[in-house]
Amino acid sequence: GAGVSQTPSNKVTEKGKYVELRCDPISGHTALYWYRQSLGQGPEFLIYFQGTGAADDSGLPNDRFFAVRPEGSVSTLKIQRTERGDSAVYLCASSLGKGREQFFGPGTRLTVL
Amino acid sequence: AQSVTQLGSHVSVSEGALVLLRCNYSSSVPPYLFWYVQYPNQGLQLLLKYTTGATLVKGINGFEAEFKKSETSFHLTKPSAHMSDAAEYFCAVSVSGGGADGLTFGKGTHLIIQP
Repeated sequence: GAGVSQTPSNKVTEKGKYVELRCDPISGHTALYWYRQSLGQGPEFLIYFQGTGAADDSGLPNDRFFAVRPEGSVSTLKIQRTERGDSAVYLCASSLGKGREQFFGPGTRLTVL
Repeated sequence: AQSVTQLGSHVSVSEGALVLLRCNYSSSVPPYLFWYVQYPNQGLQLLLKYTTGATLVKGINGFEAEFKKSETSFHLTKPSAHMSDAAEYFCAVSVSGGGADGLTFGKGTHLIIQP
């Protein structure tokens, strides 16, 4: 079956612009997670959805970052007024629920010029 | 809050030698522990995990790890390294209770296999 997919695979934008990153989880997975991985670092947790609601958004760095999952499947991570420091690979993962294996997508590489 | 420390950003071993990648964690509640592998230009893949029960956990590709609560460690081992094991390895922790389920990752260890 299909794994977690993320689009686009690469996104280049200019400082101050708005971007949206999309995640399609594995069908039937109720839990969805966003992480950010900077060069040479491990992934950093951003937000966790259980169904349509954000169960834990404690990792979002500031109010420029927002994520939605309106129908409990596809999720969009939205970044307003992008800054050069936002450049990273944004990873999405999904699972069958708390404590279960998280399956990761290939990531979206965001570059802010 | 929880944290993970991986000792050694780079580990080099000879093909056929023992692989040992170290991971220590900090958690105020019983942890769930994971090892993920990331091959070049590929996504993260779960090697093994500890949630409850047996403290020695076996994973894919011949890897195993032992949860030692007294040492707050979850070191990854493989008896005999293969060239295909060259990759980045990440240890991660999550909490077993409450509503949170995000993983806290270490900085990773790059495993180099010498022929």
